[in-house]
Amino acid sequence: GENVEQHPSTLSVQEGDSAVIKCTYSDSASNYFPWYKQELGKRPQLIIDIRSNVGEKKDQRIAVTLNKTAKHFSLHITETQPEDSAVYFCAAQMGFQKLVFGTGTRLLVSP
Amino acid sequence: SAVISQKPSRDICQRGTSLTIQCQVDSQVTMMFWYRQQPGQSLTLIATANQGSEATYESGFVIDKFPISRPNLTFSTLTVSNMSPEDSSIYLCSVLPLGAGELFFGEGSRLTVL
Repeated sequence: GENVEQHPSTLSVQEGDSAVIKCTYSDSASNYFPWYKQELGKRPQLIIDIRSNVGEKKDQRIAVTLNKTAKHFSLHITETQPEDSAVYFCAAQMGFQKLVFGTGTRLLVSP
Repeated sequence: SAVISQKPSRDICQRGTSLTIQCQVDSQVTMMFWYRQQPGQSLTLIATANQGSEATYESGFVIDKFPISRPNLTFSTLTVSNMSPEDSSIYLCSVLPLGAGELFFGEGSRLTVL
């Protein structure tokens, strides 16, 4: 079936620490993997994405890595700040441009 | 990018009634999708809204319960029919603009069914 597993479900870190969220996907044909941040009461917002022709992508404090062989990709946030606190969702594109989302990770960054 | 207007933003409904949610985009888009997000949960795809033809539904979702229309490239509606408390959720319209790889979301419609 089409599914995306995401771990951990909750993650608490101290300000300045790094945070890593991991996802695995089922469809080997998937080639697009976005990450969304959702703050309380708000819509999901894209923060970074990666396509299958690259293994890593970085944007300031955020990076994503992809291992197509293992069907696994990860989000790395360095130097975390309290405003990074939110729910993060990974997703994988399956079928005709539809996204299947992971279960979400609630990140809490304590000052 | 795309500016998405979704209405209503929230509503409280009685069991057994139906509600139609509208999604209007400010530019032509290739794909429009409807997602459901139950409280504290992830986003689940209900269906892909196809312009001028029947929507493509995901497993567990049927047209009789969630009829969808998409009369043109910038507008779609989702109806939640014969509602029960289990339908209480946030319903999100999302779009893939022409030439873009990123999926954009509307602000969502928060439905509470009593």
